[in-house]
Amino acid sequence: EAAVTQSPRNKVTVTGGNVTLSCRQTNSHNYMYWYRQDTGHGLRLIHYSYGAGNLQIGDVPDGYKATRTTQEDFFLLLELASPSQTSLYFCASSETVSGNTLYFGEGSRLIVV
Amino acid sequence: GQQVQQSPASLVLQEGENAELQCNFSTSLNSMQWFYQRPGGSLVSLFYNPSGTKHSGRLTSTTVIKERRSSLHISSSQTTDSGTYLCALEGGSNYQLIWGSGTKLIIKP
Repeated sequence: EAAVTQSPRNKVTVTGGNVTLSCRQTNSHNYMYWYRQDTGHGLRLIHYSYGAGNLQIGDVPDGYKATRTTQEDFFLLLELASPSQTSLYFCASSETVSGNTLYFGEGSRLIVV
Repeated sequence: GQQVQQSPASLVLQEGENAELQCNFSTSLNSMQWFYQRPGGSLVSLFYNPSGTKHSGRLTSTTVIKERRSSLHISSSQTTDSGTYLCALEGGSNYQLIWGSGTKLIIKP
């Protein structure tokens, strides 16, 4: 069973603050994803990557940076956090982009006050 | 408009009843996936179903491409089935998932 671990699980920050959300997957999947989940919007893709050093833009990338440092590690960076970025963030991984199950982390709840 | 619509938005049933969840889509389909999200928690894949019918225990997924719909049937529901069920369409040239807003299922004892 693939394992995806996110940290921190909960974070409160102030407007304008810096936040880094971390994700590690232990199954050597090629693809990793960052999603946000908000009531009424379902899951929305922020950024994704198909390997170390690669970054692809998702559907709602504004205000977010991401970096894939290794096959296992994918980080989401909020450099000037805003209240609109208060959300539940999920990291996921998959072996390929099509035809494969996504494995999700437990989620990181971020509140920007 | 929304490319993937789930219905109903919420459903309350008594334990033992059957649940029928629907997902309708308006764009081209490569495949449909169904996920379960436990209350306040992570998502777990239930089915990857490009077409036809698939079974897993008490769960059945049916995708009918020409009718642009996919359904998830839960038979003999249990309280532990409570949570949110999401469908996700794998469509388009980049294969990225297009998500429905989910059906919140509550099973009462």
